[in-house]
Amino acid sequence: KQEVTQIPAALSVPEGENLVLNCSFTDSAIYNLQWFRQDPGKGLTSLLLIQSSQREQTSGRLNASLDKSSGRSTLYIAASQPGDSATYLCADGTSYGKLTFGQGTILTVHP
Amino acid sequence: DTEVTQTPKHLVMGMTNKKSLKCEQHMGHRAMYWYKQKAKKPPELMFVYSYEKLSINESVPSRFSPECPNSSLLNLHLHALQPEDSALYLCASSQSGTGASPLHFGNGTRLTVT
Repeated sequence: KQEVTQIPAALSVPEGENLVLNCSFTDSAIYNLQWFRQDPGKGLTSLLLIQSSQREQTSGRLNASLDKSSGRSTLYIAASQPGDSATYLCADGTSYGKLTFGQGTILTVHP
Repeated sequence: DTEVTQTPKHLVMGMTNKKSLKCEQHMGHRAMYWYKQKAKKPPELMFVYSYEKLSINESVPSRFSPECPNSSLLNLHLHALQPEDSALYLCASSQSGTGASPLHFGNGTRLTVT
């Protein structure tokens, strides 16, 4: 059974700081790794998807990496802004679309 | 604005009621999903439809009955639910059911069972 763990559980940073969120997974045959953000009471917004054959993906101020050998992924957020405050979830994806989520990291960026 | 639309946003139902949750997408996606999210927990997969056929049922109790009338619509029929079924029910879609493309989620239906 796949397990996905995220640390830290919560993170509070001042605006402008660069930060890293961590995700570890037990599935050595991972198909893809996805990062989402969830605002309170809302659905999930897809941020980045890394296929198992890739090592990283970038979108704007976000960069996600994947290291299958160590079972880890990181999400790097550059120059954080208050609007980045949300819960960030990583998910181990299978070839048939099932996602197994971590518990999430609650990020607060204060002005 | 999300491209996956879920109705209703909120639903309160008694344990003897029958209700339905609805989900719609017009992105031409061929895979649709139901996830359940309890408070302060991550989402958990319930069902996957691929090309309008049920491909995955994650051992969900029969009081939850999914239906995919066409490639744009996904329903979840509810009957004889328990208070512990109270949760946020999330619908999602993706281009295919192969896991190669990201999932797009709706904002969910917050269900309370009394």
